[in-house]
Amino acid sequence: DADVTQTPRNRITKTGKRIMLECSQTKGHDRMYWYRQDPGLGLRLIYYSFDVKDINKGEISDGYSVSRQAQAKFSLSLESAIPNQTALYFCATSDLRGSDTQYFGPGTRLTVL
Amino acid sequence: QKEVEQNSGPLSVPEGAIASLNCTYSDRGSQSFFWYRQYSGKSPELIMSIYSNGDKEDGRFTAQLNKASQYVSLLIRDSQPSDSATYLCAVNIGGTSYGKLTFGQGTILTVHP
Repeated sequence: DADVTQTPRNRITKTGKRIMLECSQTKGHDRMYWYRQDPGLGLRLIYYSFDVKDINKGEISDGYSVSRQAQAKFSLSLESAIPNQTALYFCATSDLRGSDTQYFGPGTRLTVL
Repeated sequence: QKEVEQNSGPLSVPEGAIASLNCTYSDRGSQSFFWYRQYSGKSPELIMSIYSNGDKEDGRFTAQLNKASQYVSLLIRDSQPSDSATYLCAVNIGGTSYGKLTFGQGTILTVHP
């Protein structure tokens, strides 16, 4: 089984809808991250969490919220989706005692019509 | 100036040649440097990490770090068509234990038979 899983893998929704993307990991890592990727713009950090009680905004947090339900679970919500949130979303984890290496989930392709 | 810069390419090399990918970064305090490979529509996967000045070799891959010049590179020897992908450079801008990575926009590599 994959160490970092994301659900759903693909989602098409309409403008104004609330969407939740979920991430689970079995690596036992403390740190979890949400990124979005757009063509030509690389990976941009949306939110990150260093433990269950520690949530931090990344460079592009507007329009997004997150919840760290447990060490292994980190969810990303779009409260009212808009078309420019169409992108590929990745969850990643890293080990607090490690080397900053991040391990990525398979990604969620989100399309907002 | 972007914090992590890469030439977006595309870089095209013949099969069997050496592919050279370059990355510059803005923060002299950075201490961890990573190269990820990303196939189209897939998640980034770690190829190499490097933390000290000099070269680090792993199979056909060599990472080179020059902190004085704020430059990190990846050499791929005996390039294969299966190496065709986007290569992402990542740096822990902000220094050790900061827990975040900043990614460049990626270099597209094409290896033609």
